[in-house]
Amino acid sequence: QLVLTQSPSASASLGASVKLTCTLTSGHNNYVIAWHQQRAEEGPRFLMKVSNDGGHIRGDGIPDRFSGSSSGTERYLTISSLQSEDEAVYYCQTWGVGFHGMFGGGTKLTVL
Amino acid sequence: EVQLLESGGGSVQPGGSLRLSCAASGFTFSSYAMGWVRQAPGKGLEWVSGISGDGGSTYDADSVKGRITISRDNSKNTLYLQVNSLRAEDTAVYYCAKMEYQLLSSVAYWGRGTLVTVSS
Repeated sequence: QLVLTQSPSASASLGASVKLTCTLTSGHNNYVIAWHQQRAEEGPRFLMKVSNDGGHIRGDGIPDRFSGSSSGTERYLTISSLQSEDEAVYYCQTWGVGFHGMFGGGTKLTVL
Repeated sequence: EVQLLESGGGSVQPGGSLRLSCAASGFTFSSYAMGWVRQAPGKGLEWVSGISGDGGSTYDADSVKGRITISRDNSKNTLYLQVNSLRAEDTAVYYCAKMEYQLLSSVAYWGRGTLVTVSS
């Protein structure tokens, strides 16, 4: 059974970079995932898709400070030149037959 | 510009029913799958249901299967979610979502959400 696992929290300093991880259950190496950002008191926003080969496609208006990569069952979201507005919860999502749309538990990013 | 505007939320008693609507604009509605995602207070995102662009396929979460019906009216650019036998655990913000393609795919756009509160 497919599960998406994310660390509950992460932190990094203003201006630094941070790499968030979404781990797929063993044996599910081929799944594409999406990253979504949710700031406090706001709805989610689509950031990008990340494929199993590490390629990524950003959503409309998403700055290139946000990038994606992949290794095995892990999918990454890297945010560089952190800004205070990047403080948010980041969710990964995948989709497929049988489990339809599925979200990870989210990682709360604190910008120090 | 893609716009998704949810409506129909509110306070409902346990056992009651509710129909949520999502008015879409800024894209060719019938060409994209649509869906509903909910978020209970202080919790993460939870997939509820999705529907293909032509309405021929639906993708219901097991947690709500049998109590919900997703539908769409492509002539009105509107998505619906009928939720029956409401329980306290259905209390959440319900977000309308536009998928990337005609069939089940990544959520590409989100609405602002509508709050459903189930309480006696």
